[in-house]
Amino acid sequence: NAGVTQTPKFQVLKTGQSMTLQCAQDMNHEYMSWYRQDPGMGLRLIHYSVGAGITDQGEVPNGYNVSRSTTEDFPLRLLSAAPSQTSVYFCASRYTGTGANVLTFGAGSRLTVL
Amino acid sequence: KNEVEQSPQNLTAQEGEFITINCSYSVGISALHWLQQHPGGGIVSLFMLSSGKKKHGRLIATINIQEKHSSLHITASHPRDSAVYICAGTGNQFYFGTGTSLTVIP
Repeated sequence: NAGVTQTPKFQVLKTGQSMTLQCAQDMNHEYMSWYRQDPGMGLRLIHYSVGAGITDQGEVPNGYNVSRSTTEDFPLRLLSAAPSQTSVYFCASRYTGTGANVLTFGAGSRLTVL
Repeated sequence: KNEVEQSPQNLTAQEGEFITINCSYSVGISALHWLQQHPGGGIVSLFMLSSGKKKHGRLIATINIQEKHSSLHITASHPRDSAVYICAGTGNQFYFGTGTSLTVIP
């Protein structure tokens, strides 16, 4: 199993540009989520999904869009990048059945918006 | 108000020392997770616990449900333990602490 695969690992954008962060998991996890990590702050939830076709907003959703057309993929789209979106982004997934609900994280994507 | 508070924010220890990182959480959190993040690296889950104590190698995690408090202990610390340790509570969502940056000096 590859686990959670995130791409790209690094990206530099100019203000106003758009891009998509890709996230894929091969563990058949129903729950997938995107977090951003900023210095001095805990991980903050951007968007999440509890299954294909279902998405919902987290704590900091503004400026980001998501979709979940398959169980495996959960891309995060920045429609018009702003310097405030400079951050490290993590995709994470977990099993939602009975038992341990440990999150499995991707390796992270460092985004810089100039 | 943060649902999860952890301390200290930064910690420096000599190799071999016993280390404790603390985490307090609020009502509504049913399980507590400890995560490890190495510099420039991803995040891995160390423990999930809702009661008692768990041990994995030199790492021990405890939780006191009545006091809503959890601790992560590292025995015989080693420079490779240097990382950021994050506690997270599970309620309706995951609520993350701000992390403890640990540096173990040889």
